[in-house]
Amino acid sequence: QVQLQESGPGLVKPSETLSLTCTVSGGSIGSYYWTWIRQPPGKGLEYIGYISYSGSTNYNPSLKSRVTISVDTSKNQFSLKLSSVTAADTAVYYCARFAWGQNWFDPWGQGTLVTVSS
Amino acid sequence: QSALTQPASVSGSPGQSITISCTGTSSDVGGYNFVSWYQQHPGKAPKLMIYDVSNRPSGVSNRFSGSKSGNTASLTISGLQAEDEADYYCSSYTTSSARVFGGGTTLTVL
Repeated sequence: QVQLQESGPGLVKPSETLSLTCTVSGGSIGSYYWTWIRQPPGKGLEYIGYISYSGSTNYNPSLKSRVTISVDTSKNQFSLKLSSVTAADTAVYYCARFAWGQNWFDPWGQGTLVTVSS
Repeated sequence: QSALTQPASVSGSPGQSITISCTGTSSDVGGYNFVSWYQQHPGKAPKLMIYDVSNRPSGVSNRFSGSKSGNTASLTISGLQAEDEADYYCSSYTTSSARVFGGGTTLTVL
């Protein structure tokens, strides 16, 4: 079965760029849509955006100016870059999958905590 | 896009039924039958419980059911059990092809 695993620095300085990668195992990255979702400590889930296997993207309008999601099919990975971070970007970041025509997220990665602090 | 509106908390006794509401607009919940529900236990990733308003994935108990009326979707859990105590989130497709989540509801089993 498909498994997702987030990786990247756990600490990022204010004004810098947060970079995370999600590695897909047990299946191909092709034919699916790959999503980033975050959850600030003690708060709810927030949709960040998704990328298709072919590279088309959709971003949360409130984050769009700072977000870039990319895919590397050769490595079965997709990535998130969030620029100009502040303390408000401190959160657990999850990657998740959905299929075209299916509007639900499953499976999810276990999540990775990123703290923005100097 | 604004987050969907959920009650902050609900509670019920073992064996009882509870319902969690999720209110959006005609641009999300009301415009599409693409509402999903997720259960999240502390320190864990969310788990899909309901998709497309009322469908249960394989392996999810039939005590969980979903429905929708107008701009409001609902998750009902019948025969409450201690292990149902968790946070629950709704999510919907939107007109911009983005997705939006609810603010989350904490279920307490008394």
